[in-house]
This record gives sequence, structure tokens and C-alpha cells, in this order.
Amino acid sequence: GAVVSQHPSRVICKSGTSVKIECRSLDFQATTMFWYRQFPKKSLMLMATSNEGSKATYEQGVEKDKFLINHASLTLSTLTVTSAHPEDSSFYICSARFQGFGYEQYFGPGTRLTVT
Amino acid sequence: SQQGEEDPQALSIQEGENATMNCSYKTSINNLQWYRQNSGRGLVHLILIRSNEREKHSGRLRVTLDTSKKSSSLLITASRAADTASYFCAIPVTGANSKLTFGKGITLSVRP
Repeated sequence: GAVVSQHPSRVICKSGTSVKIECRSLDFQATTMFWYRQFPKKSLMLMATSNEGSKATYEQGVEKDKFLINHASLTLSTLTVTSAHPEDSSFYICSARFQGFGYEQYFGPGTRLTVT
Repeated sequence: SQQGEEDPQALSIQEGENATMNCSYKTSINNLQWYRQNSGRGLVHLILIRSNEREKHSGRLRVTLDTSKKSSSLLITASRAADTASYFCAIPVTGANSKLTFGKGITLSVRP
């Protein structure tokens, strides 16, 4: 149980284009979903927290107009990287939490974004 | 900083040996979690230990928590090559228990 999927697993896009990444909780309803960014050999950096039906809460330093998050349902959250630049290239990971499960987060497999 | 700091940064052991990884933190917490990440993949939740617990077991994993020293350890017994991964401790953000902060992780290599 507690499976989270992400799509796509890898994406290459050209500078200036937008890319959408989907995060789905497959067998549970996610009270909260989180989006992280991870640089090589670095820790995970929390970008934003989203609750279904409400606006995402962004961490300090994360541009909300650049990283659009939509949490349309209890099982789906999307991250759209708008007007992507090479410095946006990174590994993006989502996680989901169900309040009834406790404090654990369940992570998706990640999306490798490369902006050329 | 609220994030935990793992120690050592890297650990290389022979299959069958035990691996001990440590995490120190600075804030008061109500739980501490350990996660594993295989290369290029997402994180997998391993174990959660609450602040009123001192030790917890799950299979070959043993986690301890010393709130007076603000430290935790993860012990993997009888390691296997498949245990090769990065291991992270995660602590809740003060005032926002649903959010977690992660340390930089420990790279564990288990040699067959």
C-alpha cells in the first residue's frame, strides 16, 4: 500500500518551454502533497506543500509563478515548471501524506528534468 | 537550522557487517524518521520513532533516539549488497508537523 507515482520519469525540454509533472497517490487519498527538488549529492529541498482544493504554500525563495502547483484532487497534484531554463534542470520528487497514516511521507520515484 | 545532520557522510562495509549511521538535530521534535534512497529514485520510508520511544526495530533495522542528546542512530544488521543506498534522517519542521526537513544523507556502500 501507499504507492505514489510520478510522470514522466524523465523529460528533456528546450529553454523557454513549460513542463508539467504529475504526482498521483494510487491507493490512498493524500491529505497533503509535497514537492521537493534534489541536486546531485545534496539533500532534498522542499519547494512547496499543497492541500487538495487550496493554494500551495511555497517555501522561502521558491518562485510560485515559475513553479505552478495544482492539487485538483485527493490523488493528484501537478507541478508545472514554466519558462524553463537550464538552471531548472534537477531531480523533482513528490511525496504524499495521509493524515490517518501518521507523519510518514510516501514518495514518488522522481522526475529527472533536463532543460537544454 | 532545523535539519538533521547525518554522520558519517559515506560508509563502505563488507556484506554481512553491521552499518551504523547517526543523525543529530537541534530542535525539539515529536518524531524522527529514516528514509532510504536508491540512486536516481524516490525515497522509501524505513522507520519512524516517536520522542517518547528510545528504540525501535523493523526487520534488520534498529533505530535509537536520545532526545537528551538530540541524536538518533540507524543500525542495519547483517548488511546485504542490496542495502547500498543513501540514507536520510528527517525531522518535522517546528510548528508544521506535516513538513519534514532532510539532512544531506549518508551514502552506504555494501561490498559483496
